[in-house]
Amino acid sequence: QVQLVESGGGVVQPGGSLRLSCAASGFTFSAFGMHWVRLAPGKGLQWVAFVRFDGSHKYYGDSVRGRFTISRDNSQSTVSLQMINVRTEDTAIYYCAREDTDLSDAFDIWGQGTMVTVSS
Amino acid sequence: DVVLTQTPLSLSVTPGQPASISCKSSQSLLHSDGKTFLYWYLQKPGQSPQLLIYAVSSRFSGVPDRFSGSGSGTDFTLKISRVEAEDVGVYYCMQGIHLPLTFGGGTKVEIK
Repeated sequence: QVQLVESGGGVVQPGGSLRLSCAASGFTFSAFGMHWVRLAPGKGLQWVAFVRFDGSHKYYGDSVRGRFTISRDNSQSTVSLQMINVRTEDTAIYYCAREDTDLSDAFDIWGQGTMVTVSS
Repeated sequence: DVVLTQTPLSLSVTPGQPASISCKSSQSLLHSDGKTFLYWYLQKPGQSPQLLIYAVSSRFSGVPDRFSGSGSGTDFTLKISRVEAEDVGVYYCMQGIHLPLTFGGGTKVEIK
């Protein structure tokens, strides 16, 4: 079935790095744009980053631009989020989500999330 | 950045009663192509967010018809005609036209 599965979360020290991955299955991955969205403890949802279906365009939220890099491998049906110079405020559950242009670019499929804790 | 202001912050609803959530945008969400990029998501306790409504008023596949969305430009509303126990969670509006994409602060719905 259509599915997104995130991995790579964990505990990292401030200033450290972490790479999150999201494996897609059950659909033609190369036809869809992909997003990362996070939910920090006690906060609301925050959009993090987007990569176009072909990887040609990437966009970032203000708080992560310059520190996070989104990428995708259509041959492996994966999208990744490389996080460097992490801060305590990056602590959150990170979700990958599929964007469906047939639904006015709504996020119709979400992964189960992976937890990132930034702490010394 | 576009600010989406959701009200109320929380709702306590008796099963079978209606509920309404407002989402006001600091900028118009109407695209030049005529589409309005406003969505509603529900995050149930311990679960990932799920899409309820896209393009203001279109229900996503499998979403019960007790959920409806309305509005235009900068003012939007999600209505639940008869709240059920399974509707508990945090509801978010989101805009998809202006970068960075933004979510409303969320409305927590609980059952009385």
